[in-house]
Amino acid sequence: EDKVVQSPLSLVVHEGDTVTLNCSYEVTNFRSLLWYKQEKKAPTFLFMLTSSGIEKKSGRLSSILDKKELFSILNITATQTGDSAIYLCAVLIGSNYKLTFGKGTLLTVNP
Amino acid sequence: DAGVIQSPRHEVTEMGQEVTLRCKPISGHNSLFWYRQTMMRGLELLIYFNNNVPIDDSGMPEDRFSAKMPNASFSTLKIQPSEPRDSAVYFCASSTGDIHGNTIYFGEGSWLTVV
Repeated sequence: EDKVVQSPLSLVVHEGDTVTLNCSYEVTNFRSLLWYKQEKKAPTFLFMLTSSGIEKKSGRLSSILDKKELFSILNITATQTGDSAIYLCAVLIGSNYKLTFGKGTLLTVNP
Repeated sequence: DAGVIQSPRHEVTEMGQEVTLRCKPISGHNSLFWYRQTMMRGLELLIYFNNNVPIDDSGMPEDRFSAKMPNASFSTLKIQPSEPRDSAVYFCASSTGDIHGNTIYFGEGSWLTVV
């Protein structure tokens, strides 16, 4: 059975802190790993990672994939209260692009 | 582009009633996905369609759930009869299936409460 595991499940930090969110996976026919941010409504896309060792960056957020060890991390530097959300990791599987999600990490950034 | 459109946005219904959730994917997208999200289980894939054909429905919880995609611009997820444990947010999502830039776009969800 395909499995995506995120840790920690929840995290509380202060503004300005740096956080690292983890995602490990065990799947057959891996294609890509995606990160999403979910606030009150639908998940919104952050990154898609297909190759190992290549960091993707967008402002204060960055992510990298290790296909040998089967995990990815999402880093957020200088956190702000607006970063408070559920961060979802998902793995794209198979020729029909099935997307399997982890349960998410609930990040709370306090002022 | 209007994005993925779902209806209703919110529904409260009594146990035993039939519930129909609707989805209009982004025009040109050939894959459509139905997800259910709860606090306990997170986001679970229920079923997905490729070119209107159901590809994998192994996530559909039981026979009370059914999904159809009669054409490229419309899909329904039906629960009959509904039960309180079906209360969740149901997301529809669509994608192009392009191997080089595949991302999946979510609708804003249908918030279902079965009392």
